[in-house]
Amino acid sequence: GAVVSQHPSRVICKSGTSVKIECRSLDFQATTMFWYRQFPKQSLMLMATSNEGSKATYEQGVEKDKFLINHASLTLSTLTVTSAHPEDSSFYICSAGRAGQPQHFGDGTRLSIL
Amino acid sequence: AQSVAQPEDQVNVAEGNPLTVKCTYSVSGNPYLFWYVQYPNRGLQFLLKYITGDNLVKGSYGFEAEFNKSQTSFHLKKPSALVSDSALYFCAVRGPSNDMRFGAGTRLTVKP
Repeated sequence: GAVVSQHPSRVICKSGTSVKIECRSLDFQATTMFWYRQFPKQSLMLMATSNEGSKATYEQGVEKDKFLINHASLTLSTLTVTSAHPEDSSFYICSAGRAGQPQHFGDGTRLSIL
Repeated sequence: AQSVAQPEDQVNVAEGNPLTVKCTYSVSGNPYLFWYVQYPNRGLQFLLKYITGDNLVKGSYGFEAEFNKSQTSFHLKKPSALVSDSALYFCAVRGPSNDMRFGAGTRLTVKP
């Protein structure tokens, strides 16, 4: 069964709306989770590393004020796309894993901004 | 910097034939290599990994991969392809923060 749960699976909303995506580790505690973005027919690009109890670490070129990450507990990280615009439309995927083990990925969130 | 490359955008094979999806790596230090598969509108499913030990790694769904240090390759293989194997395959290497650095992906199509 799934060890990482991501919700919602699909969001369609108007431009200017803020959208929150949740990522939960179901059977282990994750001090670190990762958020990726995938454009159509392209690979996954790491956006940020979510650290429990501290600030997220963002990759170069990723706007931290646009993509707010909160990792308030050992089993939950959230990504909020603030004031979303059509160019933010994408497939967002989170991952988590125990130290030394492969990362497990959520099923992704398809975000469509009209 | 840790990186992997997948030289083929697309691989087509007939059902029942062997398949190979290619991956080469560039790392500093010991490579931690992975293969994942992605079905449409889904996340990634772990297939197999190489950390250390035997160069031939066996994974899920009958897949295996061969680690070749001299050629810096980690090709994914399966002796007999199934139509249901059609999907997007990603090679990955572990990054410095335990994140994954992915190749561009290879779309595998298995025809009946």
